[in-house]
Amino acid sequence: GDSVTQMEGPVTLSEEAFLTINCTYTATGYPSLFWYVQYPGEGLQLLLKATKADDKGSNKGFEATYRKETTSFHLEKGSVQVSDSAVYFCALGFNKFYFGSGTKLNVKP
Amino acid sequence: GAGVSQSPSNKVTEKGKDVELRCDPISGHTALYWYRQSLGQGLEFLIYFQGNSAPDKSGLPSDRFSAERTGGSVSTLTIQRTQQEDSAVYLCASSLETGGVGAFFGQGTRLTVV
Repeated sequence: GDSVTQMEGPVTLSEEAFLTINCTYTATGYPSLFWYVQYPGEGLQLLLKATKADDKGSNKGFEATYRKETTSFHLEKGSVQVSDSAVYFCALGFNKFYFGSGTKLNVKP
Repeated sequence: GAGVSQSPSNKVTEKGKDVELRCDPISGHTALYWYRQSLGQGLEFLIYFQGNSAPDKSGLPSDRFSAERTGGSVSTLTIQRTQQEDSAVYLCASSLETGGVGAFFGQGTRLTVV
């Protein structure tokens, strides 16, 4: 069945470090792919999305590229800030959404 | 409204009681989803409504759980005879059409069964 696997956390980085959170998916068709973010005490927010192969989604300095050949949608940011500390969820969407288990990111000053 | 609204934000109930959780989606969104997030866990799909089609109930964990959507707008998730394992945050989301465009989530209802 359709599913998403993302790297386990927590991930702890120093401010201005490079971030990668790995996400791979299994799907029977060609889904859209998403990254959601959940800041402490807040609800889930859509961070970025890509709707077809080779599309790159970007927002707030974060990027992810839809790679059909490796079934991946890794999240990257060149220089993280303390304010990026949150839980990040990778998801795929057809008519409903399948979410990964979430990766907690801690950024230290 | 401007976003997805859920009520109540917190609910404490005694084991064995019934609870109703409400979701008011973004106006014009035809798709509505319910998910459950247990402490430190990912999101578990419960049910999905799309327009006038029959809902996808494949994620409901038992027959104690049911949901309805009236007039294609407001949805109510009902849990009968609550158990302690039902304690979780129940999230509602809506989207313009199907999952391909992304969904917007409400703040959730934190349910605690004591």
